[in-house]
Amino acid sequence: EAGVAQSPRYKIIEKRQSVAFWCNPISGHATLYWYQQILGQGPKLLIQFQNNGVVDDSQLPKDRFSAERLKGVDSTLKIQPAKLEDSAVYLCASSFDSPSSYEQYFGPGTRLTVT
Amino acid sequence: AQSVTQPDIHITVSEGASLELRCNYSYGATPYLFWYVQSPGQGLQLLLKYFSGDTLVQGIKGFEAEFKRSQSSFNLRKPSVHWSDAAEYFCAVGSIYSGAGSYQLTFGKGTKLSVIP
Repeated sequence: EAGVAQSPRYKIIEKRQSVAFWCNPISGHATLYWYQQILGQGPKLLIQFQNNGVVDDSQLPKDRFSAERLKGVDSTLKIQPAKLEDSAVYLCASSFDSPSSYEQYFGPGTRLTVT
Repeated sequence: AQSVTQPDIHITVSEGASLELRCNYSYGATPYLFWYVQSPGQGLQLLLKYFSGDTLVQGIKGFEAEFKRSQSSFNLRKPSVHWSDAAEYFCAVGSIYSGAGSYQLTFGKGTKLSVIP
């Protein structure tokens, strides 16, 4: 079974530039999550989708971050314009959400450096 | 709101020694509890989870964890550490998102494990 795919793996941009990250979840997983992991901290949920609808985006800085999940499969997270404090690893995860299993499967992440 | 505390930022153990990583949580209802491991440059891999039932849960790679409601703890243990266990370990509490049939994770800040050969 293929895992959660993310690209790019690494990205370096200057502040005020824009950047986009892509995630392809495990086939059949209805729920997709984007997390931000700042160095030295645990992942923090940014946004949660179920199929192509947003379940929770309360922690997404909407003035600069946006995300979409068209057709309920892959997803894109965008930052525009980037700030220095956006430097982090952005993790995508997906889950099947049956009552017997709520496990989230994580991708390898995209490491963003803003200079 | 739920929260997770991992009191130890960094732990160093010798290969073959036993290991215990501490985790304390704050959550109003019966928690779903998880331990994940993250190797450098990798995503998070689930080691084990507790939903209900037996408070001692077994996971992959020889890890186990014990849920103690009275202490709000979910400590991770391994009887004999291998050099390949060096990584960062995250404890998380899951809360069901009402109406969505899915849940959300709140993570601790992690404990970095170093293993001395």
